[in-house]
Amino acid sequence: DAKTTQPTSMDCAEGRAANLPCNHSTISGNEYVYWYRQIHSQGPQYIIHGLKNNETNEMASLIITEDRKSSTLILPHATLRDTAVYYCIVRVPPFLIQGAQKLVFGQGTRLTINP
Amino acid sequence: GAVVSQHPSWVICKSGTSVKIECRSLDFQATTMFWYRQFPKQSLMLMATSNEGSKATYEQGVEKDKFLINHASLTLSTLTVTSAHPEDSSFYICSARDQGSNTEAFFGQGTRLTVV
Repeated sequence: DAKTTQPTSMDCAEGRAANLPCNHSTISGNEYVYWYRQIHSQGPQYIIHGLKNNETNEMASLIITEDRKSSTLILPHATLRDTAVYYCIVRVPPFLIQGAQKLVFGQGTRLTINP
Repeated sequence: GAVVSQHPSWVICKSGTSVKIECRSLDFQATTMFWYRQFPKQSLMLMATSNEGSKATYEQGVEKDKFLINHASLTLSTLTVTSAHPEDSSFYICSARDQGSNTEAFFGQGTRLTVV
């Protein structure tokens, strides 16, 4: 799996948009960008994933640059409950290859939402 | 949505004893489950891949005789920490994916093990 680089920590004011960057300059053609988050003392939670087009769901938006070497996760209206560590993972999705595929977590970005 | 449940949520045990942690997929079948370990202020580290009906696949550096994994059914995998020591104190997390669908893996809520 391609390596990702994320800032160690970020702060954002409650109610504002939180923009979390991720660099993945060695991403290969069949690898997708995935985002998970982990709230303190809980298991990780899937947020969103994408290949090259921008994606949006009820939790967040994912913006992937045209060269696919970087992406940004956007939480449009951050709340205190969005305080968590956010992990950007690049991988070939399990629906493209047979058999299960493990998730390898980097250090992530510790996002703190301030009141 | 699919749910993965871990039990117990936390456990305290004496040094030298063994502890079993259960991971259940509640509304789907999972031929493969994954076990992670997380030390304070660190990221999740994959320990092993649990395969239903066969032996687990361990990551490099993880002692298979110390961390026993059993995946006897399509909805249950267990991790047993044998002869636990204080350095085994950690947050253990499992994940599973419904391979009958295109959904992503779901994670359990984690088990905090403290060895005293």
